[in-house]
Amino acid sequence: DSGVTQTPKHLITATGQRVTLRCSPRSGDLSVYWYQQSLDQGLQFLIQYYNGEERAKGNILERFSAQQFPDLHSELNLSSLELGDSALYFCASSVAPAGGQETQYFGPGTRLLVL
Amino acid sequence: GENVEQHPSTLSVQEGDSAVIKCTYSDSASNYFPWYKQELGKGPQLIIDIRSNVGEKKDQRIAVTLNKTAKHFSLHITETQPEDSAVYFCAASIGHSGNTPLVFGKGTRLSVIA
Repeated sequence: DSGVTQTPKHLITATGQRVTLRCSPRSGDLSVYWYQQSLDQGLQFLIQYYNGEERAKGNILERFSAQQFPDLHSELNLSSLELGDSALYFCASSVAPAGGQETQYFGPGTRLLVL
Repeated sequence: GENVEQHPSTLSVQEGDSAVIKCTYSDSASNYFPWYKQELGKGPQLIIDIRSNVGEKKDQRIAVTLNKTAKHFSLHITETQPEDSAVYFCAASIGHSGNTPLVFGKGTRLSVIA
């Protein structure tokens, strides 16, 4: 158990709908990362938040958005869903020291199926 | 941007043999290289990592080597066991400023045959 929690574990929805995925980082971790894992694209970075502020953006579609709340949990919002959005969505967290690269710990993921 | 290539995509070994997975990266500024193991239905789990100021790191049956000049790094698993069967991912940090996202290889499906 990494200490990162994600809800829900599974989500089935229809095209055009909107869903919200939730992530609680490990206690004390300030950085949250969202990754998408699909069969053809592998694990791809979407977006990073650090202590409530957006820190880095990757291959995130405009239909997707995220935020990190004062209690450091994060939500990933996916709207106008398409069949191709079906994937595993992972959240990872790390501490943020003054310098250096800290380990990212991954949650168990949310499996999204768009029908 | 950073690009990470991983080989092979599948690997089968006999129990007790060694397994080697290789990765190359493109951005010379990358300075952190973790390896993750992912079992079916679970999230990636860190098994070992290496920073650019060292060339090799070992943890029991697992070792990682890094060649910064050639921009490649490898995972070595010795005395493989059936429970080592999983998908393994290499990754590289984007840049070197700290707490940066990771770019992942496509993964290697390792099967250890008893």
